Amino acid sequence: EDQVTQSPEALRLQEGESSSLNCSYTVSGLRGLFWYRQDPGKGPEFLFTLYSAGEEKEKERLKATLTKKESFLHITAPKPEDSATYLCAVLAFMNTGFQKLVFGTGTRLLVSP
Amino acid sequence: DTEVTQTPKHLVMGMTNKKSLKCEQHMGHRAMYWYKQKAKKPPELMFVYSYEKLSINESVPSRFSPECPNSSLLNLHLHALQPEDSALYLCASSQGLNYNEQFFGPGTRLTVL
Repeated sequence: EDQVTQSPEALRLQEGESSSLNCSYTVSGLRGLFWYRQDPGKGPEFLFTLYSAGEEKEKERLKATLTKKESFLHITAPKPEDSATYLCAVLAFMNTGFQKLVFGTGTRLLVSP
Repeated sequence: DTEVTQTPKHLVMGMTNKKSLKCEQHMGHRAMYWYKQKAKKPPELMFVYSYEKLSINESVPSRFSPECPNSSLLNLHLHALQPEDSALYLCASSQGLNYNEQFFGPGTRLTVL
């Protein structure tokens, strides 16, 4: 069964304390891995798309990387405004020939000043 | 205009009511999506429209009926819902047809009494 697991479930950091969020997946036929940020009561905001192992993308304090089994979202010197839930989603080909999008359960990040 | 709008923001309905959720985007995106999100859970894909045609129905009960009147509008018609259908309903759109770089609306918070 295709699975997407994010860890940790929750993470509390001090401002400036760098860390990484993990998204591990067990799917066949990976077509893409997406990272989103979601603030409470709002829709997710697109951050990155990664397609193949070894690929990296950066945006401000965030850097996403991809291996054959997992993706990391590195947060460098976070600020309180980085507090949000970070979701990863995996697009994979099913045996049926159709694509399926599976979201992980997210990591709730809280950055304290 | 780079946003997806959804109306209403909040909706309370009884199990015998008929109501509709509306989603609009003016970015010329070719794909539009409906998601359901329960509290502290990731979004679950419900429907995908590509070029105004329904391309994906993730085994959603018939009490949810999507409609795409034109390339900018997406509706979700609700009838005879159950209390467990209470959730945040998110609409999203993307330029490509492969779930990439989805722009999400703020959602409609639905409560079924």
